[in-house]
Amino acid sequence: EAGVTQFPSHSVIEKGQTVTLRCDPISGHDNLYWYRRVMGKEIKFLLHFVKESKQDESGMPNNRFLAERTGGTYSTLKVQPAELEDSGVYFCASSQDGVWNTDTQYFGPGTRLTVL
Amino acid sequence: AQSVTQLGSHVSVSEGALVLLRCNYSSSVPPYLFWYVQYPNQGLQLLLKYTSAATLVKGINGFEAEFKKSETSFHLTKPSAHMSDAAEYFCAVSFTGGGNKLTFGTGTQLKVEL
Repeated sequence: EAGVTQFPSHSVIEKGQTVTLRCDPISGHDNLYWYRRVMGKEIKFLLHFVKESKQDESGMPNNRFLAERTGGTYSTLKVQPAELEDSGVYFCASSQDGVWNTDTQYFGPGTRLTVL
Repeated sequence: AQSVTQLGSHVSVSEGALVLLRCNYSSSVPPYLFWYVQYPNQGLQLLLKYTSAATLVKGINGFEAEFKKSETSFHLTKPSAHMSDAAEYFCAVSFTGGGNKLTFGTGTQLKVEL
């Protein structure tokens, strides 16, 4: 069974440009999460989808970030326009149930975003 | 506010020595606790989790952790380090009423030396 996949693995863009990150969760997982790790800091929660609905987007930093999950399968995270402080590693995770806090989240390898 | 603290951003041990990675949490409600490991160029992999059953939790690759409520700790241990254990380790918590989001510590990079 394929794990969580993310594309691209690396992205280098100029400040002011737009970037779209993609996440494909494990097949059958209704719950999809986005996290971000800024260099030297902790991994921080961005948002949580249940199928195609946003369950919790309390971690989204500002309105330059737009996450979608059309059809409840893969998800995209768009940053527009990108700023220097958006640089970091963006992780996607998925889980099967999401009902209980103990549900295991399976993580992808991350997308390393560098904004110059 | 709930939080997680990992003491020591870098830990170095000799091969065969005890591994001890520290994690303390702050929470006003019962937490659920996790340890994840990240090997180079890979995603985070779950090592073990505490779900309010047994306080001593055994995970993969010979790791275990003990939940100590009185000390608000969930330290990760392995009796004998192996070169393949070199990686970054993350302690994380989720909280009842906090949704399913994980709150992570800053990570501990484990180096294993010959």
